[in-house]
Amino acid sequence: AQSVTQLDSHVSVSEGTPVLLRCNYSSSYSPSLFWYVQHPNKGLQLLLKYTSAATLVKGINGFEAEFKKSETSFHLTKPSAHMSDAAEYFCVVSDWKAAGNKLTFGGGTRVLVKP
Amino acid sequence: NAGVTQTPKFQVLKTGQSMTLQCAQDMNHNSMYWYRQDPGMGLRLIYYSASEGTTDKGEVPNGYNVSRLNKREFSLRLESAAPSQTSVYFCASTAADSPWETQYFGPGTRLLVL
Repeated sequence: AQSVTQLDSHVSVSEGTPVLLRCNYSSSYSPSLFWYVQHPNKGLQLLLKYTSAATLVKGINGFEAEFKKSETSFHLTKPSAHMSDAAEYFCVVSDWKAAGNKLTFGGGTRVLVKP
Repeated sequence: NAGVTQTPKFQVLKTGQSMTLQCAQDMNHNSMYWYRQDPGMGLRLIYYSASEGTTDKGEVPNGYNVSRLNKREFSLRLESAAPSQTSVYFCASTAADSPWETQYFGPGTRLLVL
């Protein structure tokens, strides 16, 4: 079975400061890992994904995440927060041996960006 | 190119009423999915269709039925709505039903069951 834990339900940062969103996963096999972002009253949009290639993954809007198998983590970072980064972020795991593309979502981290 | 579209955007139902949520994609994707989103729980898979003509249960299928009408359209039906089905419903699609494929999401349908 696979599972995802997002360690912070809310994160508050000041504009221009770094953002760190923490994610730990559990998977029996070799997972694919994703970060999706959801702006208020919108659908989800892919930020980045890890599919067993490079462990440091770069995504859109300056975000990146590092896959650390030994720590079962996939934390999302951005060097400098922008007001437009205020949104909810979901860490997602998909186990390649599971039947089909069954995504398991974390509970989400809501990011507040202060001016 | 609209991507994934959902109708309606909002709906209020009384307990026991039925309704169908519609989803369509114009990306020629093979696989489609229905999720519900509840506060603090992320998204949970209700039903999915790996390819046209097939449907399977996800994590929370009770109280729902689906129809893969054709390659473009995948509908979700609530036969007898209950307050526990108050949620935001998202449809998604992927080119293929494999774990590394990106899912593309619609804008969601907000459902309130009184």
